[in-house]
Amino acid sequence: DTAVSQTPKYLVTQMGNDKSIKCEQNLGHDTMYWYKQDSKKFLKIMFSYNNKELIINETVPNRFSPKSPDKAHLNLHINSLELGDSAVYFCASSQNRVTGELFFGEGSRLTVL
Amino acid sequence: KQEVTQIPAALSVPEGENLVLNCSFTDSAIYNLQWFRQDPGKGLTSLLLIQSSQREQTSGRLNASLDKSSGRSTLYIAASQPGDSATYLCAVRDGDASGTYKYIFGTGTRLKVLA
Repeated sequence: DTAVSQTPKYLVTQMGNDKSIKCEQNLGHDTMYWYKQDSKKFLKIMFSYNNKELIINETVPNRFSPKSPDKAHLNLHINSLELGDSAVYFCASSQNRVTGELFFGEGSRLTVL
Repeated sequence: KQEVTQIPAALSVPEGENLVLNCSFTDSAIYNLQWFRQDPGKGLTSLLLIQSSQREQTSGRLNASLDKSSGRSTLYIAASQPGDSATYLCAVRDGDASGTYKYIFGTGTRLKVLA
């Protein structure tokens, strides 16, 4: 009964392919996020959804498309993968978008060859 | 634009020592501050959350303080143990005029506690 779960944990793929990462939270939270952690371990927000509505869309290439079918799920689809997309992608959730504590998934390590 | 800095970047201490990790932020108009630990190859585990109206929070051997006006937070770890070895990250939540609230992360302090 993991609070925030992501699949897959590891992804190895070729340049140009399309891939998806799925995230689910069972905490009843309203807000979900995608973060990217680069090779220097720096965490940067990519997207945030609040009750299925996109509220944060950082300067991310439009090859990245998030989708939230309901408030417990947030998926990330990446088209035409590039070498620079290799990173660890973390899903997170919080009770609300202002003051809630942030809870993270275990991460999905994407390697683009 | 909010910037979060953590000093030192890395720290090695002998077991049993008390230690302090520092986090500073440039814009004091924050909603809360959260400390996390990250073990290698793992996700982030929340340690302590301090709301903007609070001065400190405690959990077991951990104590986090917040001084908004000076843009600083410290994480105090008492009687350190080898199991405390991890990277510690702080994150501040701030908002802008459009009502967008984000957590901005520091670069982390890599802690090694030697047995």
